[in-house]
Amino acid sequence: EDQVTQSPEALRLQEGESSSLNCSYTVSGLRGLFWYRQDPGKGPEFLFTLYSAGEEKEKERLKATLTKKESFLHITAPKPEDSATYLCAVRSTDSWGKLQFGAGTQVVVTP
Amino acid sequence: DAGVIQSPRHEVTEMGQEVTLRCKPISGHDYLFWYRQTMMRGLELLIYFNNNVPIDDSGMPEDRFSAKMPNASFSTLKIQPSEPRDSAVYFCASSAGTGPCFFGDGTRLSIL
Repeated sequence: EDQVTQSPEALRLQEGESSSLNCSYTVSGLRGLFWYRQDPGKGPEFLFTLYSAGEEKEKERLKATLTKKESFLHITAPKPEDSATYLCAVRSTDSWGKLQFGAGTQVVVTP
Repeated sequence: DAGVIQSPRHEVTEMGQEVTLRCKPISGHDYLFWYRQTMMRGLELLIYFNNNVPIDDSGMPEDRFSAKMPNASFSTLKIQPSEPRDSAVYFCASSAGTGPCFFGDGTRLSIL
């Protein structure tokens, strides 16, 4: 069965203090790994898709990387507006459409 | 561009009542998903459709839950009868092929 584990559960950062979130996954075959951001009262907002080990994607202060067993979301010089819950999800070759989500990392960035 | 549209945004009803949640996916998307989110269990997939056909409903909690997709632009999730433990935020999402899912803003359901 596909499994996704995110760590840490929560992260408190000072503005400008860079950090990384981890997403470890177990799938029979990876069809894609997805990062989302979720703000309170909103649905998850798509950030990145990664398909193969070694791939990297960047958007503003966020950078996602992928290995064969885990993905990292690096937040560089975060700002208070980066405060959100960050979710990781995987799609496996066994279950064409299904996205399996991790529990998320709640990030709070203080001024 | 219009995203995934869900209605209602909030629903408060009494135990035993029928609840119907509605979803309009992004035009052109061929996959539609229903997820439920709670503090305890996170985001759980309930059911998903491909080209209006249910593919996997193994996440549907029990027979009180049913979902339909009569056409490419509309889906419903129905709970009958509702129970307090069904209280959660229900999300609809859609995707094109095996690309990323795009989510609506959810329906916050409270069963008293």
